[in-house]
Amino acid sequence: GAVVSQHPSRVICKSGTSVKIECRSLDFQATTMFWYRQFPKQSLMLMATSNEGSKATYEQGVEKDKFLINHASLTLSTLTVTSAHPEDSSFYICSARDEAGSGNTIYFGEGSWLTVV
Amino acid sequence: GNSVTQMEGPVTLSEEAFLTINCTYTATGYPSLFWYVQYPGEGLQLLLKATKADDKGSNKGFEATYRKETTSFHLEKGSVQVSDSAVYFCALYGGGSNYKLTFGKGTLLTVNP
Repeated sequence: GAVVSQHPSRVICKSGTSVKIECRSLDFQATTMFWYRQFPKQSLMLMATSNEGSKATYEQGVEKDKFLINHASLTLSTLTVTSAHPEDSSFYICSARDEAGSGNTIYFGEGSWLTVV
Repeated sequence: GNSVTQMEGPVTLSEEAFLTINCTYTATGYPSLFWYVQYPGEGLQLLLKATKADDKGSNKGFEATYRKETTSFHLEKGSVQVSDSAVYFCALYGGGSNYKLTFGKGTLLTVNP
């Protein structure tokens, strides 16, 4: 089946630094990818919709200058957490829409644990 | 807007018991419906999907039928295993959502040997 890969799976960074998380669709092209944040024992919170070749669409309350999203190719979207703070520590998950065939299925990456110290 | 109401957990079963996790939805138009599973510390895996009314999605012994008349997509498995212990999310998109998934709150399933 379709695979979406995230990297890194775990990252620890110092407060004030920036960290980049990559999301790749490995066997399909994705014009649309999504970035989520998940707090412990909670459902996923959509942060933004990443559109290939155009600006991302952010959900209400998500700081676009803090969470930079770049979708430069049909198989890669990146999320950069800028000037990270301990409260940014979380599980970040991306997903990508496989538009081929029927159903437009959405597949998720493995997630990335970010710890800001 | 779209919404998904999912049976609240946690659900604890013994191995080989029958599982049902209820899911109902509200959406305009004709959404696509999904069940995702999340194992501890991991991302979400697509478990099954259905894209139109009366479709039955199935995978790994799990089944769910798209019931438009009752706006439901209940997840069932006839005989659960310890390895099925995970969080299960019901989700939908379409019907005007621009492909943004709307999730239920998730149901934690624990299967004891």
